[in-house]
Amino acid sequence: EAEVAQSPRYKITEKSQAVAFWCDPISGHATLYWYRQILGQGPELLVQFQDESVVDDSQLPKDRFSAERLKGVDSTLKIQPAELGDSAMYLCASSPLGDSGTDTQYFGPGTRLTVL
Amino acid sequence: AQSVTQLGSHVSVSEGALVLLRCNYSSSVPPYLFWYVQYPNQGLQLLLKYTTGATLVKGINGFEAEFKKSETSFHLTKPSAHMSDAAEYFCAVKGNNNDMRFGAGTRLTVKP
Repeated sequence: EAEVAQSPRYKITEKSQAVAFWCDPISGHATLYWYRQILGQGPELLVQFQDESVVDDSQLPKDRFSAERLKGVDSTLKIQPAELGDSAMYLCASSPLGDSGTDTQYFGPGTRLTVL
Repeated sequence: AQSVTQLGSHVSVSEGALVLLRCNYSSSVPPYLFWYVQYPNQGLQLLLKYTTGATLVKGINGFEAEFKKSETSFHLTKPSAHMSDAAEYFCAVKGNNNDMRFGAGTRLTVKP
């Protein structure tokens, strides 16, 4: 069964350093999402791509976060500089179409970031 | 905008007992509703979803949920809990767009 791949699974960094996370969605899925999940809370959307275009980045802290999906396939989420409050699980998800409420999102295993 | 409220951040049941996890939603349009399960340090796995049609939805691992429009609820149930059901469960709602809103989650503990 096809899965969403993410790396690394765990990342420990010091504040003010740069970090990057990678996501490879299920093959053929047009829509890709990055979520942030703070411990004890539900996931919150950071950015949504439709193919290579950003559809929604209203909740992305653009002063330090950036995301790209250059060829409309895999994606990278970057934080520079990292802050203590960025410690969280970063989840990537993909869905086949993205333009329908019935579209199911499939999640990867996540990257757990710890900022010291 | 859509939102969900999960009643009870922590539910504890005995093995073999009924599991009931509560979810109430708010939506200005007919909602699409989802339940996901998350095991420690893993991503979210879809248990079941309601889009249209039959209001009783059956999912994986013996779980089911019933959409009750009059109560704006989508509670998750399983007749008999198993130790392997211990996990975090998230209810989520979408409207006509793809804006998925998650609840805060309910941690299920299963006692032997």
